[in-house]
Amino acid sequence: SQKIEQNSEALNIQEGKTATLTCNYTNYSPAYLQWYRQDPGRGPVFLLLIRENEKEKRKERLKVTFDTTLKQSLFHITASQPADSATYLCALDSRGAAGNKLTFGGGTRVLVKP
Amino acid sequence: GAVVSQHPSWVICKSGTSVKIECRSLDFQATTMFWYRQFPKQSLMLMATSNEGSKATYEQGVEKDKFLINHASLTLSTLTVTSAHPEDSSFYICSARGTGAGTNSYEQYFGPGTRLTVT
Repeated sequence: SQKIEQNSEALNIQEGKTATLTCNYTNYSPAYLQWYRQDPGRGPVFLLLIRENEKEKRKERLKVTFDTTLKQSLFHITASQPADSATYLCALDSRGAAGNKLTFGGGTRVLVKP
Repeated sequence: GAVVSQHPSWVICKSGTSVKIECRSLDFQATTMFWYRQFPKQSLMLMATSNEGSKATYEQGVEKDKFLINHASLTLSTLTVTSAHPEDSSFYICSARGTGAGTNSYEQYFGPGTRLTVT
């Protein structure tokens, strides 16, 4: 069966350090992978999308890598700030048209301490 | 751009009653809308996908007669939880994909969610 796994344990990190989150998947061949941020009691907010033919994507202090051989994506927050504290979700598409659905991992909670 | 709103943001209802949740795309046309449910400390679980003007496609295990979805226009979808029970208490989130300035076809734009509590 299809699975998307993220580390369920919270990641505690000191301000200024780099936070690295992992998303592993099995029995998927996604055309792209997305990362979202979710704050408590709020809907997710889109951060980054990386396509199957891309190895790395950057946006400001965020960096995402995508290894379709390992079936893994890494999400990095560099120079982390307390405002980065949130739950981060990875999501995979079901291959097909742009209107297709996303399936989300369980999310990893990040807590950045000042 | 690409803002999605939900109403109400929270609702408390008695067991056996029905509750309607609205999801609106404010500044773009939502060709596809998705409804998710999220239990505490769990991820989003897709309930159904709806395209404007057609019947919703429900995920396995989601009762279509209990969770009625209507996508009557390109800016509005509604989810009605019929005969709600305490186990239906959850955080319901909608999202939309669409066309228009400020959108791209791959991104889902999420609403702020609706907290439903059934007593």
